[in-house]
Amino acid sequence: AQTVTQSQPEMSVQEAETVTLSCTYDTSENNYYLFWYKQPPSRQMILVIRQEAYKQQNATENRFSVNFQKAAKSFSLKISDSQLGDTAMYFCAFMNPYSGNTPLVFGKGTRLSVIA
Amino acid sequence: EPEVTQTPSHQVTQMGQEVILRCVPISNHLYFYWYRQILGQKVEFLVSFYNNEISEKSEIFDDQFSVERPDGSNFTLKIRSTKLEDSAMYFCASTLGGLYNEQFFGPGTRLTVL
Repeated sequence: AQTVTQSQPEMSVQEAETVTLSCTYDTSENNYYLFWYKQPPSRQMILVIRQEAYKQQNATENRFSVNFQKAAKSFSLKISDSQLGDTAMYFCAFMNPYSGNTPLVFGKGTRLSVIA
Repeated sequence: EPEVTQTPSHQVTQMGQEVILRCVPISNHLYFYWYRQILGQKVEFLVSFYNNEISEKSEIFDDQFSVERPDGSNFTLKIRSTKLEDSAMYFCASTLGGLYNEQFFGPGTRLTVL
């Protein structure tokens, strides 16, 4: 079974600074998808960024980028120019796309606080 | 932009009572999911549903739980006899399917069992 580990329960960053959230995972699969979801205080889970394991290029979405290290099974999220609205729980998630209605496997989350 | 909706936003119930949590997935989506998040813990998969039947369920999803798609729009999660440990946020998600099936989440229902 796949597992996802987020070793940083809480982090804080000054507004406009850069922060990196860590995620490692364990799988025997070669092809899979990885995601970062944001959960603000409103509780809605919002997809931030996704990465296909077969792609070597790291995904980027505006101020959000990932550092995907397949051999190390590491998938960190970098937030540049942090904004107050980035304050939220961030969940790393894994999906095996070849198992029918594939559920997501989540890490425990990292609570990020952006400080003015 | 289409979105997944859930009702109610907060449900308070007494232990042993039945509750039904409701979700309206995005209209053209084919796969539906329920996840649970106990306060302070990670989001856990409960069940997935496709073509009017359960396609996968976790060990959490025991006989106390059931899901149904009673009409063309709603997707419900029923807990027959609630326990204190059922207190959690329950998220519904849906996806169109295909090789890459991004799951869209609803805002969640907070269930409090007293």
